Amino acid sequence: AQRVTQPEKLLSVFKGAPVELKCNYSYSGSPELFWYVQYSRQRLQLLLRHISRESIKGFTADLNKGETSFHLKKPFAQEEDSAMYYCALSGSGATNKLIFGTGTLLAVQP
Amino acid sequence: GAGVSQTPSNKVTEKGKYVELRCDPISGHTALYWYRQSLGQGPEFLIYFQGTGAADDSGLPNDRFFAVRPEGSVSTLKIQRTERGDSAVYLCASSFSMNTEAFFGQGTRLTVV
Repeated sequence: AQRVTQPEKLLSVFKGAPVELKCNYSYSGSPELFWYVQYSRQRLQLLLRHISRESIKGFTADLNKGETSFHLKKPFAQEEDSAMYYCALSGSGATNKLIFGTGTLLAVQP
Repeated sequence: GAGVSQTPSNKVTEKGKYVELRCDPISGHTALYWYRQSLGQGPEFLIYFQGTGAADDSGLPNDRFFAVRPEGSVSTLKIQRTERGDSAVYLCASSFSMNTEAFFGQGTRLTVV
């Protein structure tokens, strides 16, 4: 079955602390992995995708096919990072037909 | 506006009624997607249009749900005989092509009472 699992509903850290938002997936084939973010009262937006191998707003994510994981990391959290984060996958050739996880709310305390 | 626009932003309807939700994609975007997000869940794929045609409607939960995009721009999601379980935020997204970044609207919050 195709599935994305985000085990933490809420992650609370202090400003300046490292952040790791966990994402594991189940997919038979070669999926494309994404992280989406939704800030308070804003629309859902793409943060990064694994094929780009970019760092966006200090966040990085590495696809680990052996562990079927795509954890999102940032070395030093900022208060403006507080938001809902969704991990998502798509099958090859269907980039925007996405399967989302249930999301993790990141709260960065001052 | 430059973004994906969804109307209405909120809709309250009685069980058994018919509703239509509208999505105005970004100009020039050929691909359009509908998702449904229930409370505490991530968005769930419903249907994808490429131009005027529904390229993939595998996510529509049953035949009470139907969507159209007659001129390849605005899309309408139609729900017949609404049920309380249909209450959710309905999200629309559009992209230039199926392989480029999808941009989401603010969503329509549907409440069936």
